[in-house]
Amino acid sequence: QKEVEQDPGPLSVPEGAIVSLNCTYSNSAFQYFMWYRQYSRKGPELLMYTYSSGNKEDGRFTAQVDKSSKYISLFIRDSQPSDSATYLCAMSANTGNQFYFGTGTSLTVIP
Amino acid sequence: GAGVSQSPRYKVAKRGQDVALRCDPISGHVSLFWYQQALGQGPEFLTYFQNEAQLDKSGLPSDRFFAERPEGSVSTLKIQRTQQEDSAVYLCASSFRTSPLHFGNGTRLTVT
Repeated sequence: QKEVEQDPGPLSVPEGAIVSLNCTYSNSAFQYFMWYRQYSRKGPELLMYTYSSGNKEDGRFTAQVDKSSKYISLFIRDSQPSDSATYLCAMSANTGNQFYFGTGTSLTVIP
Repeated sequence: GAGVSQSPRYKVAKRGQDVALRCDPISGHVSLFWYQQALGQGPEFLTYFQNEAQLDKSGLPSDRFFAERPEGSVSTLKIQRTQQEDSAVYLCASSFRTSPLHFGNGTRLTVT
């Protein structure tokens, strides 16, 4: 079993839709959670960074962490064609240690 | 610098050749990571440096892979006697203390 599980999609939504992306994990020691966006032939770009449980909002993006269920989510409101990319979740027990990544979910927002 | 810089962006090597991939981290970032990303997959950990010390190399797939960061800034990932299964994107990331990882755009290695 992988440390982090993420549905690879692909996910296709119309412009303006609310998108929900999710990851589950098995290691209860994880306490740092990140979401990255990766465009084709580019490196991952940090979107959201949260510590422990709770919600964090930044513009159209909301990250949720439920440590009791070992489940994290990223919500994108009013999705735009420019949001079309692969979204990677990542997590770590300690920022000095390994960061474990999901396989990524491919998202297409149709104009 | 403004971001993590990796060179070359693309590398084609014949099977059996040695390659060297370079990473310039963000200035002042003490931690440096190398990841390997296969097509359609998430990044997989290779190795981690704190300053010049290589603290974890558990992800290196074989002894053909070697990484160094002699002065605690620029790092080089070397792959000896490349094989076709080494074809992937090699990502470098850096971080400062408790900050999350900041990635470069990677080096796409194709072994023919």
